[in-house]
Amino acid sequence: DGGITQSPKYLFRKEGQNVTLSCEQNLNHDAMYWYRQDPGQGLRLIYYSQIVNDFQKGDIAEGYSVSREKKESFPLTVTSAQKNPTAFYLCASSTQGGQPQHFGDGTRLSIL
Amino acid sequence: AQSVSQHNHHVILSEAASLELGCNYSYGGTVNLFWYVQYPGQHLQLLLKYFSGDPLVKGIKGFEAEFIKSKFSFNLRKPSVQWSDTAEYFCAVNYGGAQKLVFGQGTRLTINP
Repeated sequence: DGGITQSPKYLFRKEGQNVTLSCEQNLNHDAMYWYRQDPGQGLRLIYYSQIVNDFQKGDIAEGYSVSREKKESFPLTVTSAQKNPTAFYLCASSTQGGQPQHFGDGTRLSIL
Repeated sequence: AQSVSQHNHHVILSEAASLELGCNYSYGGTVNLFWYVQYPGQHLQLLLKYFSGDPLVKGIKGFEAEFIKSKFSFNLRKPSVQWSDTAEYFCAVNYGGAQKLVFGQGTRLTINP
């Protein structure tokens, strides 16, 4: 079945440590997205990519970085500069921008 | 700024009650509109979408939404809810063909049996 796979499901980070969240899709979608979900704040866009080797900052990109070296992969790195990283992170993809997005199951990141 | 407002943060209903969840957006131009649902422990999935045409849109599981352009609204409705509708519901808007969606804050719906 086609879909989006996020790993790991749970991730713990120590202070001052960078961590990378994986997102892989086999839907052959061009566009991919990273969101952060906090209670009562909905989904806030971190980064998005419309095509391989290109990506744009979303509304809350500070303290995060991404890469898009392959169409099916869009990893997110939460750097030590992100002061409040504890959250639920969602990856999504769509055929192109503005179209319905398909979501992964999410990664929950916590600080030790 | 482009924004989406869902005024109901937590709605509690009994089974068989009628449901209406509000969604308002801030922009007066061309929009594409979406409702997503997140059941406990599951990923977000699309309930319904509006791109053009009939402003009354029907989605999965008996949900429907009405696009009222003059009110910048896209409210979600269901005539009779079930316990299995307990979930969080998100409204999302694509403004003017942009490459991204703007999501509302979400509404948590609890259905008591």
